[in-house]
Amino acid sequence: NAGVTQTPKFRILKIGQSMTLQCTQDMNHNYMYWYRQDPGMGLKLIYYSVGAGITDKGEVPNGYNVSRSTTEDFPLRLELAAPSQTSVYFCASSDTGAGQETQYFGPGTRLLVL
Amino acid sequence: RKEVEQDPGPFNVPEGATVAFNCTYSNSASQSFFWYRQDCRKEPKLLMSVYSSGNEDGRFTAQLNRASQYISLLIRDSKLSDSATYLCAVNLQSSGDKLTFGTGTRLAVRP
Repeated sequence: NAGVTQTPKFRILKIGQSMTLQCTQDMNHNYMYWYRQDPGMGLKLIYYSVGAGITDKGEVPNGYNVSRSTTEDFPLRLELAAPSQTSVYFCASSDTGAGQETQYFGPGTRLLVL
Repeated sequence: RKEVEQDPGPFNVPEGATVAFNCTYSNSASQSFFWYRQDCRKEPKLLMSVYSSGNEDGRFTAQLNRASQYISLLIRDSKLSDSATYLCAVNLQSSGDKLTFGTGTRLAVRP
């Protein structure tokens, strides 16, 4: 199993550009999550999904969109990049809800918006 | 008050030392607690879950104090390889299937 994979590893965007961060898991997990982590800070939840076709907002959803058309994929879309979105983005998955089981994280995408 | 709070450190200790971190949480009805380890520029990885009765895994001991609303992580006989940031995570009662993470405590073990 590859676990949770994310692409790209690193990206530089100009203000106003858009991009999609890809996340795929091969563990057949129902739950998937997107977090951002700013320097010296903890993880903040952007969006999450409890199964294909179902998504919900987390703590910091503004400026982002997600979709979950399959169990495996959970892409995160930035429509109009802003410097405040410079961060490291982690995707995670778990078989059951966060209260019952560990979350498995992808290696992250480092995004710089200039 | 933050929902989940940790001392950011850094904790700078010599090899072989015993070190302990605490993590406080705001919601007394919280049910699930975890410690994650994050190496520099890497993703978080589960270190251990925290059970009500406390649990031990080798040199690591996790405990839960519901009365004072905190969890703790004790590392005995510190190794250089223990240098990392330790994140606590709590499933707050109000948050359903989500975890709330602390900002992490950085540990540096020196020779």
